[in-house]
Amino acid sequence: DTAVSQTPKYLVTQMGNDKSIKCEQNLGHDTMYWYKQDSKKFLKIMFSYNNKELIINETVPNRFSPKSPDKAHLNLHINSLELGDSAVYFCASSRDTYEQYFGPGTRLTVT
Amino acid sequence: AQSVTQLDSQVPVFEEAPVELRCNYSSSVSVYLFWYVQYPNQGLQLLLKYLSGSTLVESINGFEAEFNKSQTSFHLRKPSVHISDTAEYFCAVNRRGSEKLVFGKGTKLTVNP
Repeated sequence: DTAVSQTPKYLVTQMGNDKSIKCEQNLGHDTMYWYKQDSKKFLKIMFSYNNKELIINETVPNRFSPKSPDKAHLNLHINSLELGDSAVYFCASSRDTYEQYFGPGTRLTVT
Repeated sequence: AQSVTQLDSQVPVFEEAPVELRCNYSSSVSVYLFWYVQYPNQGLQLLLKYLSGSTLVESINGFEAEFNKSQTSFHLRKPSVHISDTAEYFCAVNRRGSEKLVFGKGTKLTVNP
């Protein structure tokens, strides 16, 4: 069974489009996260939700909007995509503040 | 705020040689420490963690890391590497009670035959 899953795995789109990435975890964790990994492999947290409530928002442009319909899901919607948004986006989840478990990633390419 | 420094961006080694990947962190409060591994074109997998207790922690595939509070280090070691250990390794830290995990820039381990 996949613990943290993301869809789609690959996403190729043009500048200016709006796209969404979905994330689901079946670990029963209360906290979920979105990370961005840039072309140099650097990982940076974007958002964190605990029980559907936003608790971390790391200076991310307003074009990025996370949505948590329930504590097992955290989706990421991106408006007006820009070239600089090209990256790998990882979803993760954790119980309390202990180790985080990551999804397989979504490679977003903006052309 | 916490920060993590991985001193080597790339480490090439031969198969069956020992390896050490270095990680130093900066924090004024107690922290949890983690090593994650990312195989090519895959997600991150938790390799090992230090939460409390014994300062030496081990993984199921032969890696170990030692928490050294005085040197603020959490170096990763393996006495004999395999080709399959080729991957990117990330050290990470978070302040106890915080959800914010801060990553180092990663060390690319390449094991050559």
